[in-house]
Formats: sequence, C-alpha cells, structure tokens
Amino acid sequence: DTGVSQNPRHKITKRGQNVTFRCDPISEHNRLYWYRQTLGQGPEFLTYFQNEAQLEKSRLLSDRFSAERPKGSFSTLEIQRTEQGDSAMYLCASSLLGSSYNEQFFGPGTRLTVL
Amino acid sequence: QQQVKQSPQSLIVQKGGISIINCAYENTAFDYFPWYQQFPGKGPALLIAIRPDVSEKKEGRFTISFNKSAKQFSLHIMDSQPGDSATYFCAASTEDNFNKFYFGSGTKLNVKP
Repeated sequence: DTGVSQNPRHKITKRGQNVTFRCDPISEHNRLYWYRQTLGQGPEFLTYFQNEAQLEKSRLLSDRFSAERPKGSFSTLEIQRTEQGDSAMYLCASSLLGSSYNEQFFGPGTRLTVL
Repeated sequence: QQQVKQSPQSLIVQKGGISIINCAYENTAFDYFPWYQQFPGKGPALLIAIRPDVSEKKEGRFTISFNKSAKQFSLHIMDSQPGDSATYFCAASTEDNFNKFYFGSGTKLNVKP
C-alpha cells in the first residue's frame, strides 16, 4: 500500500500521560500535515512541514503538543500531559509541492481516547 | 469562529435521488473549494474541487455549483447510490496558502436502497 499510513490506529491513555503518534507519508511527498478531528466536526489544521521544516503552526497547537519530521520523511506528533479534551482523531496528510492545488492525501487517522 | 459553514448535518436520500449539500463562507480571499468524502475508519479523500472563476464543475455524477456573489457553493450527487453513503466535507483555502484548508463540519449522507 503506497498511501499515507498512521500508527497506532487507536490509543487509549489516562489523563496526564504522554502519547506519540507516527505518520508515514507517501514516499515522494515533501509536505506533511497534521489535523485534529473531533466527533461531528471537520478536520482542523494543526501544523505542516515542508521537508523537515515546520512552517506553520495553528493556535490550536498548545505547548503540550510537539511535532517533528526528522530527515523530511516520517513525522511524529507528541502530546504531553494529556487532557480529556485532547480526545479526538488525529489525521495526517501529505502532498507534493507543485501538485495541482496542493492536493492532500489523508491517512486513516489515530483515534485518541483520554480517560 | 467557523470559516466554512456546512448544511445539512445529515441527509437521507433514496437510491436514484439527488443529494445536495451546501456550504457558505465569509472570507472573500478563499480561492479554492474542494469537497472531501470520508468513509468510516478512513481518512478524507478528495472528491472534486472548484476555483471561483467557474460557476459549475461536473465529474461523473458529482457536480459543484459555485455562487461567488452569495459566497456559497454546493455539491450535487446525481443518481445517488448506497455506495455514496459517507460523510462529506466542504473546504476552502486561499491561493497564497493552499496548505491551510478550512473544513466545514460535515454532512453524513445515507442513501437508502
């Protein structure tokens, strides 16, 4: 499968714990995005990378959130000291710089439940 | 506040009928309007998209109608099929920042056989 993959698919954690999610984009894609989707809502932009550089961060991304994309390949999203309000689906997408209107290809998401 | 407002929240259509989903926006800088389709357990997938220089775009059974003066756009699914049952999201972005998509809240479509 050459699409965007995300791991784990589901994560249940207790409030206050740290969690880390991984995204593997489509191999030739140099742009990578993180979105958060809560129940009944559309995805909300969190941050994006062009190669290894993090170029934009949403105000939704509090200090407890950090994202990395070492070597411009896979990316990780870490949430420290999780809160119940962090429960959501975390979606990763990738795109190719110069593609038509920056078409973004989404992964299946990681569903986080904070107890 | 939500940049793109989508309605209805849910929609039930009989097989063969027309499904219509509407979106409205305020930011006149928006320049690109895609529609995404999401099946349970999957990420959203691009369905069809339009730029404001045209009023309509058709791809197979899917048509986007765009009204620039009213700042509204809609998705029409002709001859709706049970396999179209999914959640549909409209989105918008600006030409100077195609990286940042603003999504509507979604419409859950159920096409009854």
